[in-house]
Amino acid sequence: DAGITQSPRHKVTETGTPVTLRCHQTENHRYMYWYRQDPGHGLRLIHYSYGVKDTDKGEVSDGYSVSRSKTEDFLLTLESATSSQTSVYFCAISEPLGPSYGYTFGSGTRLTVV
Amino acid sequence: GQQLNQSPQSMFIQEGEDVSMNCTSSSIFNTWLWYKQDPGEGPVLLIALYKAGELTSNGRLTAQFGITRKDSFLNISASIPSDVGIYFCAGQLDFGGSNYKLTFGKGTLLTVNP
Repeated sequence: DAGITQSPRHKVTETGTPVTLRCHQTENHRYMYWYRQDPGHGLRLIHYSYGVKDTDKGEVSDGYSVSRSKTEDFLLTLESATSSQTSVYFCAISEPLGPSYGYTFGSGTRLTVV
Repeated sequence: GQQLNQSPQSMFIQEGEDVSMNCTSSSIFNTWLWYKQDPGEGPVLLIALYKAGELTSNGRLTAQFGITRKDSFLNISASIPSDVGIYFCAGQLDFGGSNYKLTFGKGTLLTVNP
């Protein structure tokens, strides 16, 4: 069990406010990812990290920033929340799986921007 | 970028029926993974496939890695109500230790009528 915890599980925020979502892992995995899930779009990669202070953009990174100051924590910030960012956000870590790697996901954060 | 086409988008079946879903890609993959997402939770790994032509079972689930490395299918036999959820395929092209990103299909929503 990769021990991934996302917080908060649910949040309602107002348009224009900054929001930070937290992903915490307990097993020192190097790679961490943030996805958003929306009906009809599946899982879309926002940002990912390949180590402390090493991050890169995914396919839907506009309006989001990330930080990773410690191996165990990967933070996703919505700089100025918009209604289009209402979504379910999932954090994932990459861990060895047979001869390859697979993802283990957190339980998600449901964010509503009003 | 890489695209995965997953079909069908949704299925409504009666308990006891068999289910089949598949993913096709314009690019080859070295690993195919199948995930299931229960309502309100993150996706959980069901089956992993590592070799072209490989057929793997996990209980009532059977998945195959296509010979061309561009497709995979998942079968569920004798469906039960707890099979309800969203099923995702995911492909990975491992560049030898530096790129662990998965490409996800958009999901198949399965509803099982008791």
